[in-house]
Amino acid sequence: EVQLVESGGGLVQPGGSLTLSCAASGFTFSNYWMTWVRQAPGKGPEWVACIKGDERESAYVDSVKGRFTISRDNARNSLYLQINSLRAEDSAVYHCARAGAAADGRYYMDVWGKGTTVTVSS
Amino acid sequence: DIQLTQSPSFLSASVGDRVTITCRASQVISTYLAWYQQKPGKVPNLLIYAASTLRSGVPSRFSGSGSGTEFTLTISSLQPEDFATYYCLHLNSYPLTFGGGTKVEIK
Repeated sequence: EVQLVESGGGLVQPGGSLTLSCAASGFTFSNYWMTWVRQAPGKGPEWVACIKGDERESAYVDSVKGRFTISRDNARNSLYLQINSLRAEDSAVYHCARAGAAADGRYYMDVWGKGTTVTVSS
Repeated sequence: DIQLTQSPSFLSASVGDRVTITCRASQVISTYLAWYQQKPGKVPNLLIYAASTLRSGVPSRFSGSGSGTEFTLTISSLQPEDFATYYCLHLNSYPLTFGGGTKVEIK
């Protein structure tokens, strides 16, 4: 069974840091782009970052550039998101998602983890 | 950044109704668009990708169409399990962005 399980969330003060992890199983992890998507309470999803299977390419939404770093360890089938300089507006459930390749050359998020909650508050 | 505008944002419909949701992009995005369904307390579920390709296992009452800047998701005959919020997502360029969502509720 394909599965993604996130961990590492918590309550953090503004300006603080966290590292989120995502453990993947049931598929060949290194073959897939992986993404982080966050969803604040009562809001729609927001794409945060993605990383290619061989780690040679990554991208971020502007609001997190310079503060968040996506990485992966293919030997451990794990995805990470290092988040620094946290702000109140970063509070959300953070999901990791697998991005499967389609015939059009794009990578569509087809499997999602249940997420880990990050709350930024003093 | 490419903005996606969904309409309507809220829709009240009955079981058996035909429902159409529109997603308009602020720039041409070819057919690099996906549709997701999200039920309360659950993660988004991919329904349609590449604008019109039905994901395996998704009921055939769901269909997608469009290219360029205008896209539609159609549910041919609404079922009780279809009451949810639907989001479009473009994959044309970074940053990827989601539409604001369309909540489909029971009339």
